[in-house]
Amino acid sequence: DAGITQSPRHKVTETGTPVTLRCHQTENHRYMYWYRQDPGHGLRLIHYSYGVKDTDKGEVSDGYSVSRSKTEDFLLTLESATSSQTSVYFCAISSSWTGANVLTFGAGSRLTVL
Amino acid sequence: AQTVTQSQPEMSVQEAETVTLSCTYDTSESDYYLFWYKQPPSRQMILVIRQEAYKQQNATENRFSVNFQKAAKSFSLKISDSQLGDAAMYFCAYRSYTGNQFYFGTGTSLTVIP
Repeated sequence: DAGITQSPRHKVTETGTPVTLRCHQTENHRYMYWYRQDPGHGLRLIHYSYGVKDTDKGEVSDGYSVSRSKTEDFLLTLESATSSQTSVYFCAISSSWTGANVLTFGAGSRLTVL
Repeated sequence: AQTVTQSQPEMSVQEAETVTLSCTYDTSESDYYLFWYKQPPSRQMILVIRQEAYKQQNATENRFSVNFQKAAKSFSLKISDSQLGDAAMYFCAYRSYTGNQFYFGTGTSLTVIP
């Protein structure tokens, strides 16, 4: 397995509380992504990073922020969780934008917002 | 944003038989990449196969092969000699040649009947 670790793997929280999901990689890949997976929607990109402190928004970024202070760590924060953010969150890494470089995924983090 | 469509939410196949999963996409680009990912009940996303649009030859990986029709913007996955372990959700994905985002379809849930 590629060295991607997501934590926590499961979390239940209440509406209005802050939540941070962590993605840690040991591959030294430059590019990191956060996706959410919901039934009927497939995977949708929340934010991505193309280097330390370099991040950009994806298609469903509202309500989420990210930070990347080290190559190996990419944090996803829900400042004030809502029930619509109940989902499975996947971190992914890629070595390059170009070429047939694929996404390699973490195991996912299931978040339930009550 | 590119659109990836998987029109079959669910499919089933008898063990040892062949099944084809459909995927179409919408793009104005000439160079791009297409992928099939498998997500078994463990939730782990696994790359099954990938295709470069500039290659006319269809990609093959053991029992998995694709039928890539560039003009029709179609990218179907054929699974031969289906096995119980093939039961999973399958996602089709698109990435442009120089793009920084992967676009996923909504997935097809495959059941393998013993």
